[in-house]
Amino acid sequence: IAGITQAPTSQILAAGRRMTLRCTQDMRHNAMYWYRQDLGLGLRLIHYSNTAGTTGKGEVPDGYSVSRANTDDFPLTLASAVPSQTSVYFCASSGGQGAADTQYFGPGTRLTVL
Amino acid sequence: SQKIEQNSEALNIQEGKTATLTCNYTNYSPAYLQWYRQDPGRGPVFLLLIRENEKEKRKERLKVTFDTTLKQSLFHITASQPADSATYLCALDITGGFKTIFGAGTRLFVKA
Repeated sequence: IAGITQAPTSQILAAGRRMTLRCTQDMRHNAMYWYRQDLGLGLRLIHYSNTAGTTGKGEVPDGYSVSRANTDDFPLTLASAVPSQTSVYFCASSGGQGAADTQYFGPGTRLTVL
Repeated sequence: SQKIEQNSEALNIQEGKTATLTCNYTNYSPAYLQWYRQDPGRGPVFLLLIRENEKEKRKERLKVTFDTTLKQSLFHITASQPADSATYLCALDITGGFKTIFGAGTRLFVKA
């Protein structure tokens, strides 16, 4: 089934540990995004990539890094997790023409940092 | 900075009635606005997109309006059903589609 997959589904992590959230899409979309969703704050953009090989910072990039080695994959890394990074993380992709297009979201990863 | 406001209080309506959700924004003039649906434990799903030069867009029981003077979009679900119960998010583009900002969403409950 075409779409976006994320792994893991959920994770409990000790503070200070390194963690990579995986995201893969099979729609050959140019653009990909990482959001975090917190109660009452909605979705906030962490990083984005408008095409393979390029990335950009969103609204809340501190403490996170991304890479885009190819079209399909867009991993998000927390180099040293802190409790404030406890959240639900969503990966999304879009056609990326730069004009109006819609985003397709993955199922999310629920991350708890203790 | 750009700001999107959606009613944080849940909206409770009776089955068959029309649900109306509001999205207000400030400090920006988006080229288009989108509405998404999100069910508990799932990612958002796209519903409708309306451009700045469109006043209204319809899709089946859904209708979206976009008033760029008031900086407001209204999202209507007619003949609502319990299956319409979900959180509805509005979203604005801020730089040609590569950056989108989302509202916090409004929770809708449709009672049978």
